[in-house]
Amino acid sequence: ETGVTQSPTHLIKTRGQQVTLRCSSQSGHNTVSWYQQALGQGPQFIFQYYREEENGRGNFPPRFSGLQFPNYSSELNVNALELDDSALYLCASSLDLAGPYEQYFGPGTRLTVT
Amino acid sequence: GEDVEQSLFLSVREGDSSVINCTYTDSSSTYLYWYKQEPGAGLQLLTYIFSNMDMKQDQRLTVLLNKKDKHLSLRIADTQTGDSAIYFCAESSGGYQKVTFGTGTKLQVIP
Repeated sequence: ETGVTQSPTHLIKTRGQQVTLRCSSQSGHNTVSWYQQALGQGPQFIFQYYREEENGRGNFPPRFSGLQFPNYSSELNVNALELDDSALYLCASSLDLAGPYEQYFGPGTRLTVT
Repeated sequence: GEDVEQSLFLSVREGDSSVINCTYTDSSSTYLYWYKQEPGAGLQLLTYIFSNMDMKQDQRLTVLLNKKDKHLSLRIADTQTGDSAIYFCAESSGGYQKVTFGTGTKLQVIP
């Protein structure tokens, strides 16, 4: 059983550009959540996908969007990057929606916007 | 809205017990969690407690929940240098897996 992986590890983008971050969930996990963790802060919930449909969203603007694929992979897309988007982006996979929500986190992608 | 607060820093000597505290505001919280984050790594779920429980013990970890005061604590017995990390308190409620995290407590273990 493989863990949750994310790519790339680090990324530097310019303000106004677009970025796609990728996540490979643990095998069999049909739910993936994405979080933004600014330096010195706790992770903030961006959105969640369940069986390829968005199932919930935090306080993030529409320029943050996602996709989930049948092969347990998913993407986080951010358009019109702003300096404040610089953060560690974490994905977490879990099995189904029933609690407790035992989420397995990937190591994250560190995004720097200049 | 939901809010989870923690103290920022805790320093303990190796072999002592560590107690990390957390308060939350959402009275509808169903599950409360403790996560550990080591440098350069993602978050690792340490333990969780259902909101109708007062205590849960798991090896060196003891979780205490005071639902009336919305206070959660994590006690680590016989703290080791490998326990040095940032510890996040988190809560979830509602029909989907939105987990609200605190700002984290950095635990420093002094040899």
